[in-house]
Amino acid sequence: LAKTTQPISMDSYEGQEVNITCSHNNIATNDYITWYQQFPSQGPRFIIQGYKTKVTNEVASLFIPADRKSSTLSLPRVSLSDTAVYYCLVGDGGSSNTGKLIFGQGTTLQVKP
Amino acid sequence: DADVTQTPRNRITKTGKRIMLECSQTKGHDRMYWYRQDPGLGLRLIYYSFDVKDINKGEISDGYSVSRQAQAKFSLSLESAIPNQTALYFCATSDTDRGHETQYFGPGTRLLVL
Repeated sequence: LAKTTQPISMDSYEGQEVNITCSHNNIATNDYITWYQQFPSQGPRFIIQGYKTKVTNEVASLFIPADRKSSTLSLPRVSLSDTAVYYCLVGDGGSSNTGKLIFGQGTTLQVKP
Repeated sequence: DADVTQTPRNRITKTGKRIMLECSQTKGHDRMYWYRQDPGLGLRLIYYSFDVKDINKGEISDGYSVSRQAQAKFSLSLESAIPNQTALYFCATSDTDRGHETQYFGPGTRLLVL
């Protein structure tokens, strides 16, 4: 599975847009990019997933450039409750998927009032 | 995610004891997983199962065993607990109906081995 690299921590203020970038230089052709959010003492929660270009849902947007070697999770107008650890994962899907998600250390986002 | 439940939520045990952590899901997913998380680190895969008759080792399976009693139930056992198995344990499920995998995690079991 492709390795990902993301910043260890980020700080932001309420109401700001937060962008967290993840590098995955060795992403394979059939790999998808998935982001999870984890609050203290809770299980990770799926946020968004994409393959290329831009994906948007009610929580976030995911921007993926044409070369797919990086991706950016965008959280619009964050609030204190968005303080969490955000994990970027890359892996294949479908029948060839071994189900192995490789979680790195993630990015700890601290939102301040 | 309330569709994935874990029992117990917290457990304190002594070195050498056998304990079982249980996971149940109502999502109807075939795939289930057990992870552990140590402070400040990401999750590491212990075991996973793609259906009732399928069991696979993850990256850190030594000292653990699992049982997939039914599609909805996946149990993790520590045959003889040791202090370095103190961690937060998560169960997860997934489906691949959309052709790519998304995992849904339970609330976790906090285990302390004395």
